[in-house]
Amino acid sequence: RKEVEQDPGPFNVPEGATVAFNCTYSNSASQSFFWYRQDCRKEPKLLMSVYSSGNEDGRFTAQLNRASQYISLLIRDSKLSDSATYLCVVNRNYGQNFVFGPGTRLSVLP
Amino acid sequence: NAGVTQTPKFQVLKTGQSMTLQCAQDMNHNSMYWYRQDPGMGLRLIYYSASEGTTDKGEVPNGYNVSRLNKREFSLRLESAAPSQTSVYFCASSLDTQYFGPGTRLTVL
Repeated sequence: RKEVEQDPGPFNVPEGATVAFNCTYSNSASQSFFWYRQDCRKEPKLLMSVYSSGNEDGRFTAQLNRASQYISLLIRDSKLSDSATYLCVVNRNYGQNFVFGPGTRLSVLP
Repeated sequence: NAGVTQTPKFQVLKTGQSMTLQCAQDMNHNSMYWYRQDPGMGLRLIYYSASEGTTDKGEVPNGYNVSRLNKREFSLRLESAAPSQTSVYFCASSLDTQYFGPGTRLTVL
């Protein structure tokens, strides 16, 4: 079993839709959590960190459930520009151990 | 701030050739990383450096060497390239979150 697993994609949704991605991690010692976005043929870019209390940034909401060891990302009112691959990232010990999930691809359709 | 820069952007090698991928960051980060990304495999850590003068193996270090030349620069060397090393290579640096360079697309024939 991979240490970080994500919903298999691709997700194809119409503009304006709400879409949710889930991510599970197996190492209970994991300390910090992130969502990255990667556009085709580009580098990953930080979308948002995920805090225990949950956090929101505009149309994006991230949640963390430590007891069940999963992280979610909710995108409301999807835009064409949201089309990308979303990577779940877990850091074990605030040090150098960033573990990436395989990514979930989202296509927002006109 | 340029952030994380990588050179070259593209490279084609023949089997057995050597090359060095360069990475530099101007954010004064202690930690730097090299990843490779292959279709369906996600990002896999090759080597990382927690601070100047230290390097450690990641998940897939075979066939690679690294040098942390100073705090800014972290290079990745392929001594004898193989077709299995055809990939996209990303360098990253971090304080508490990681920032990535634009990547190097390497093809080994």
